[in-house]
Parts: sequence; C-alpha cells; structure tokens
Amino acid sequence: DAMVIQNPRYQVTQFGKPVTLSCSQTLNHNVMYWYQQKSSQAPKLLFHYYDKDFNNEADTPDNFQSRRPNTSFCFLDIRSPGLGDAAMYLCATTRGGGLVAYEQFFGPGTRLTVL
Amino acid sequence: AQSVSQHNHHVILSEAASLELGCNYSYGGTVNLFWYVQYPGQHLQLLLKYFSGDPLVKGIKGFEAEFIKSKFSFNLRKPSVQWSDTAEYFCAVNSGGYNKLIFGAGTRLAVHP
Repeated sequence: DAMVIQNPRYQVTQFGKPVTLSCSQTLNHNVMYWYQQKSSQAPKLLFHYYDKDFNNEADTPDNFQSRRPNTSFCFLDIRSPGLGDAAMYLCATTRGGGLVAYEQFFGPGTRLTVL
Repeated sequence: AQSVSQHNHHVILSEAASLELGCNYSYGGTVNLFWYVQYPGQHLQLLLKYFSGDPLVKGIKGFEAEFIKSKFSFNLRKPSVQWSDTAEYFCAVNSGGYNKLIFGAGTRLAVHP
C-alpha cells in the first residue's frame, strides 16, 4: 500500500543535541509538510515543500530546519532541541496543483522526548 | 488569522448513542473542510471532506458532516456510535495555497460498551 512512513517512531535526545527526523512517501506526492503536535493541542504546521520549494511558516523557530533531497524523502532537523520542543512530529503529503484542493495523507508521527 | 474551534474537548458516550461534534471556523472566503480521526496509536486518517456541492457530506464508517456557510460550521455526526469509534477527532480548514491545513484542538471521544 502506498503510504507515508516516519522513522523513528520514538526519539529521545538530550537538551541541545541535534536530532533529525525522517519521512518518506510512496505516494509520489509533490507536496510534503511537517507539523508539530503537542499534547492535547492541534497539529501546527512548521513548513512545507512544494516540489523543491521550501516554505517556512512565519512563526516557526529558526531552530527547525528541513531538507528534501528528492520527491520521496523529507527530513526535519532540530539544531538545538529545548525542553519545549518535546512533541509529536507529523509528516504529511498531498498532491498539489493549481487551485484544486486535495486531502493530506499523514504518517504515524515521531514522538520526540528531550531530556 | 484563520482559526478552527472545536467546542468539546472530551466526549463520553455509551454505545448506540448519537454523536455530534461541533466545529466552527473563522474565514469569510472559500474554504475546504475536513474531519480527520486518530485512533489510539494510529496516524491521522481522513473521515470526510467538503470541497463544494451538497453541503451534507458522507464519510467512512457511517460519519457525516454538514457545512452551514451562514454559521461557519462543519459539525460531525453519527447516529449510533460504536466502541471502535473511540478516538480523537480533528476538524481542519484549508483556505490558502499549497493545501495548508489549520486544525482545531481536537475532541477526544470515548465510547463505553
């Protein structure tokens, strides 16, 4: 089945130690998103790629970066994780194009713990 | 700024009870509306969506939602819930480019046998 895969499912890091979360997709979608979801809160969009074009949300901290080396893969880099960055990180994809709206397909998420 | 409000954070029902979860959004233009569900330990899945046309949309597993433009609402309903409907439900709106979604805070539904 075509799907969105996130690795690892659980990640523990130390305060200030860089961490990378990965997302891959077999849907061949050209748009990929990263969301942060804290406990009992709504998923919050951090940034997205439309093809190779990177689009940062205005309130996404500089501590968060992303890379998309090809259509299938997208990485979330947290350069210096703080305690407040502990959250579930969700990757999603969609088929983008023109004015047509499409649903997003989500991965299972990576739960990040910062010690 | 656009926002989505879900009125109930926690709902507890018995099996066979009827369900209605409220969702209101703040945006005056054309919107696309979604309900996603997250079962325990699983990823977000689409329940149903409204893009245009009939404001009463039917989704998977017997869920439906009604878009009422004048009330900026998109409430989710199910006439008879089952234990397996225990999950968290998120309303979302997409009104901008790149299909960006704005989510509500979610409603945790617990259905008791």
